[in-house]
Formats: sequence, structure tokens, C-alpha cells
Amino acid sequence: QVQLVESGGGVVQPGGSLRLSCAASGFTFSSYGMHWVRQAPGKGLEWVAFIRYDGSNKYYADSVKGRFTISRDNSKNTLYLQMNSLRAEDTAVYYCAKDGGGMTPGTFGYWGQGTLVTVSS
Amino acid sequence: EIVLTQSPDFQSVTPKEKVTITCRASQSIGSSLHWYQQKPDQSPKLLIKYASQSISGVPSRFSGSGSGTDFTLTINSLEAEDAATYYCHQSSSLPQTFGQGTKLEIK
Repeated sequence: QVQLVESGGGVVQPGGSLRLSCAASGFTFSSYGMHWVRQAPGKGLEWVAFIRYDGSNKYYADSVKGRFTISRDNSKNTLYLQMNSLRAEDTAVYYCAKDGGGMTPGTFGYWGQGTLVTVSS
Repeated sequence: EIVLTQSPDFQSVTPKEKVTITCRASQSIGSSLHWYQQKPDQSPKLLIKYASQSISGVPSRFSGSGSGTDFTLTINSLEAEDAATYYCHQSSSLPQTFGQGTKLEIK
């Protein structure tokens, strides 16, 4: 079965950096685009970034553009999110999500359990 | 950016009641609208894709309709386990966006 396991969250000071990882299993990782979605405490869902199956194209929300970088290593079945210049408003649970692909692009059929990032001094 | 506006924000309902949640898009998105259920301390779960397509394993009391700018999620014969926050989501254009959420409380 599809499994997505995020790691790398923690407490970081404003202006600091953090790298999140998402280990994927149960499907052909190299065939699917992947997303990062975040949720601030007590708030709604916000799409953060998307990377195509082969890493050829990457897209970002305006709120993180220029500060966050999405990447993937298909040999390790792992998705990454490098977060730099972190701000208090980046505090959230970060989820990785598998894109539906094929006939159902853009759907988030599988999600990880999330990893909490807290930006605070 | 396409803005999705859900209504209501909160609803308190009794078991077996029929519930309707609406999602309005700021511009036409065809049928690229999906619905998710999120229970406390859990990850979101896909309920309906492309406005009205069912998802394997999701109870048949959940259904969706609509196209263009106006969409509806219907829960027939509500059960206690349906207490959750429901989100609509559009994948028509980047950035993908979500509605603000509708919290359902079971009386």
C-alpha cells in the first residue's frame, strides 16, 4: 500500500533553514508528481509546491517562492523541501502528497502524516 | 489566484440528517474541484474527485456535483463518524488553492 512518511520538522529560529524529507513506498515513485501542502495551527490547508515526476518542472506558492526549494531523488524514492529564510508565518504541519497523475492530475489521493515546523526565537 | 469560498463555515447537525456544503470559485474551473475530509489530528482524506467522481472505499453517502464556479458536497444520512472539517480544492490552475473549510459538528 502507498506510504508517505515525512521527517525533518522541528523548531528553528527566524531566518534559519530546515530540510524536510518524505520517504515514499508502495508505488512507482518515479512515475508521479509530488506536492507539499502545509497547515498552520488551527488553520486551513495551503498548497506549497509541486514537482513533476522527473523533476523537470517545479512550481511554488508565491508565499514561499525564492525561499523554498522542492526536489526529489527517484533512486531513493524520496521527496525533499529545503526551506530557507524561515519566518514565523511558515509555522505549520507540512504534508507531502502524491499527485493523482495520469487521468486524475492534481488530486491528492495519498498524504503523509505530516511533520511540524515551528519558527520561533 | 483562484479563490474558493465555502459555506457554511460551521454547521451543527444531527445524525441521519442530510448535509450540503457549497464551494464557489472566483472563476470557472470546469470540473477540476475535489473534496477532502480532515478529522482532528489526522491527514486529509480525498472524498470526491473532479466534482462528482467517487473514490474507492469512501461511503456512498458522500456525493458531489457542480461545474464551472459552483459546487456542492452532499452527505446523505449523516453518521457520527462524519464529524470533521471538509475542504474543497481546485487543480484547474496554479497555484492550487483550497477553500477555508467547513467544520461539521454532530449534535
